[in-house]
Amino acid sequence: DAGVIQSPRHEVTEMGQEVTLRCKPISGHDYLFWYRQTMMRGLELLIYFNNNVPIDDSGMPEDRFSAKMPNASFSTLKIQPSEPRDSAVYFCASSLGVPGNTIYFGEGSWLTVV
Amino acid sequence: GESVGLHLPTLSVQEGDNSIINCAYSNSASDYFIWYKQESGKGPQFIIDIRSNMDKRQGQRVTVLLNKTVKHLSLQIAATQPGDSAVYFCAESIQAGTALIFGKGTTLSVSS
Repeated sequence: DAGVIQSPRHEVTEMGQEVTLRCKPISGHDYLFWYRQTMMRGLELLIYFNNNVPIDDSGMPEDRFSAKMPNASFSTLKIQPSEPRDSAVYFCASSLGVPGNTIYFGEGSWLTVV
Repeated sequence: GESVGLHLPTLSVQEGDNSIINCAYSNSASDYFIWYKQESGKGPQFIIDIRSNMDKRQGQRVTVLLNKTVKHLSLQIAATQPGDSAVYFCAESIQAGTALIFGKGTTLSVSS
C-alpha cells in the first residue's frame, strides 16, 4: 500500500502567490481530511470530504483557502493569495468508513510564505 | 470550549524505563480515542485506539487506558527505546459524523 501521497513536500513562495497542495488518498478510502500543523496551534482540521463531497469546512481559515476533490483519488488545497501566516505543514489524511475510524496521514507539505 | 489537552508538554526517560503520557478530554460524549506518534519531518502515525466502551487496550509494548469518570486517557510504553522519541498526540472523536480533534502533543525524549 502506497499510503497517502502528498505533493509538493516542500514549497517556498512569496506573499501574494497562489499555492496548490495536492493529495492522493489511500485507494478505497472514502474519507479525506486536510489538517494544518503549526507550533502554536497544533494540528487543526481544515476540511474533510466523504465520497468526494465536502462535509465540514468550518476549519478553513478564510476565503483565501479552498479545497476540492474532483474524484476519489485526488484532492487539492489552494491558498490564494498566500500570506506569511499561512506558513505551516499541511497534512492530508484518509480513512475508510465513518469518521472516528483510524485516519492515515501523508508525510505533509511544508509551506513557507516569505 | 471543549478541547483535548495534554498534561505535560515534554517527558524525558531513560532507555528501558516505562513511559506514561497523559491526556485529558472534556467532552463526555466522545466515543473514540486514538494515539498518534509523530517523528520529526513526518506525518502522524497511528499507534493504538480505544472506544468508550472499553477501559484498556493493549498493543505491542503499548497500552492505552481510558478513565471516563475523570475524562482521562493515557498511553503507556513499556521498555522505552530511543526509537520511541517523538511527539505523541491524543485525539478524540467528539460525536458520530465528525473528524478527529487533536491535542497539542507531548514530546517524549529517550536517552540511552
